Amino acid sequence: GEDVEQSLFLSVREGDSSVINCTYTDSSSTYLYWYKQEPGAGLQLLTYIFSNMDMKQDQRLTVLLNKKDKHLSLRIADTQTGDSAIYFCAVARGPGGGNKLTFGTGTQLKVEL
Amino acid sequence: GAVVSQHPSWVICKSGTSVKIECRSLDFQATTMFWYRQFPKQSLMLMATSNEGSKATYEQGVEKDKFLINHASLTLSTLTVTSAHPEDSSFYICSATNQGTGRAGELFFGEGSRLTVL
Repeated sequence: GEDVEQSLFLSVREGDSSVINCTYTDSSSTYLYWYKQEPGAGLQLLTYIFSNMDMKQDQRLTVLLNKKDKHLSLRIADTQTGDSAIYFCAVARGPGGGNKLTFGTGTQLKVEL
Repeated sequence: GAVVSQHPSWVICKSGTSVKIECRSLDFQATTMFWYRQFPKQSLMLMATSNEGSKATYEQGVEKDKFLINHASLTLSTLTVTSAHPEDSSFYICSATNQGTGRAGELFFGEGSRLTVL
């Protein structure tokens, strides 16, 4: 099955950029997502990218996809304390997209003053 | 964006009782909803796919008689944890797709329901 890996923890200073990385194994994955989870809450969809794209920018968020290396990253510009949360990448299972997602292990982002 | 709501957000029950968790899509119709389970500091594990008007599809290793799923309408799916035991304590999250947006594969998640079994 699909494996999705992330580093567990990232600490940055307020105002710096944060880069959260994710690797996956299934080359047929077509939709790749980033979700944010605050303590005790559900998941909030931040952004997503199709596998035929290599970059997507949405305000402070930039998603980069290296399909050859099966590597996905999320860059948060001008990181704020409100960005502190756990960030999950998720990959749509199998070709054609679909809604069954495999989630990464989650990266806890801590933003320090 | 589309809103998915879960109820209750937090429930404590005694061992051996059954607990029902509701998942509602508030402003869209969802023919398919998904139920996930999340243990502390871990990722989400897909438990089952809930299809309106038909039986749920369970992932390998998930007991369908233990976790009963009913998707009676296009806006409501329920997960019932039957004869709950302490090991069932977890954070249960549902998600649904708003197929009306045209963005296939885009899921919206509920706020989650924390179950504690004493």
